[in-house]
Amino acid sequence: NAGVMQNPRHLVRRRGQEARLRCSPMKGHSHVYWYRQLPEEGLKFMVYLQKENIIDESGMPKERFSAEFPKEGPSILRIQQVVRGDSAAYFCASSPKPESSYNEQFFGPGTRLTVL
Amino acid sequence: AQSVAQPEDQVNVAEGNPLTVKCTYSVSGNPYLFWYVQYPNRGLQFLLKYITGDNLVKGSYGFEAEFNKSQTSFHLKKPSALVSDSALYFCAVRDDSGYSTLTFGKGTMLLVSP
Repeated sequence: NAGVMQNPRHLVRRRGQEARLRCSPMKGHSHVYWYRQLPEEGLKFMVYLQKENIIDESGMPKERFSAEFPKEGPSILRIQQVVRGDSAAYFCASSPKPESSYNEQFFGPGTRLTVL
Repeated sequence: AQSVAQPEDQVNVAEGNPLTVKCTYSVSGNPYLFWYVQYPNRGLQFLLKYITGDNLVKGSYGFEAEFNKSQTSFHLKKPSALVSDSALYFCAVRDDSGYSTLTFGKGTMLLVSP
């Protein structure tokens, strides 16, 4: 059973370009979470999605950031018009249907975004 | 709002000695507590969790954690540290409301010297 997969592992963009980060959850998991890890900081929750639904986007910046988890295919975190402050490691996690909230989340290896 | 505090940015311990990585939490309902470990340039790996039951929880790689409700703490422990335990450790909490967002601490870097 493959774990959570993220690609690309490393992404370099120039200021003003768009960044697209992909996440394929573990088989059988229908819940996806995105986190951002900035240098010297912990993980900050960004968004929680189920298939075709955004459940909680309270951690997403109001502008330039969006996320989706379509019926088919991976979850996408999209950052438009990137700025240097967007440079960070972005982690995706997945969990099975949380009938109760004690299921642990399984993390992918992350995408390290560098904005030049 | 829920929060996690990891008061030590770094913990240094000699190989073979016991280690403790501290974590305190704040949550409105009953806490579900987790420890994760992150090796350089890798994602987070789940170590252990407390949901209910025994206050001492055993997890992967010989780690354990003790839940203390009165002190709102969930310290990570290991009786004998290994150099290979050197990594970044995160404590996380969510409440029992059925909503699955995890709140993480800032992380504690554990350095085990030979």
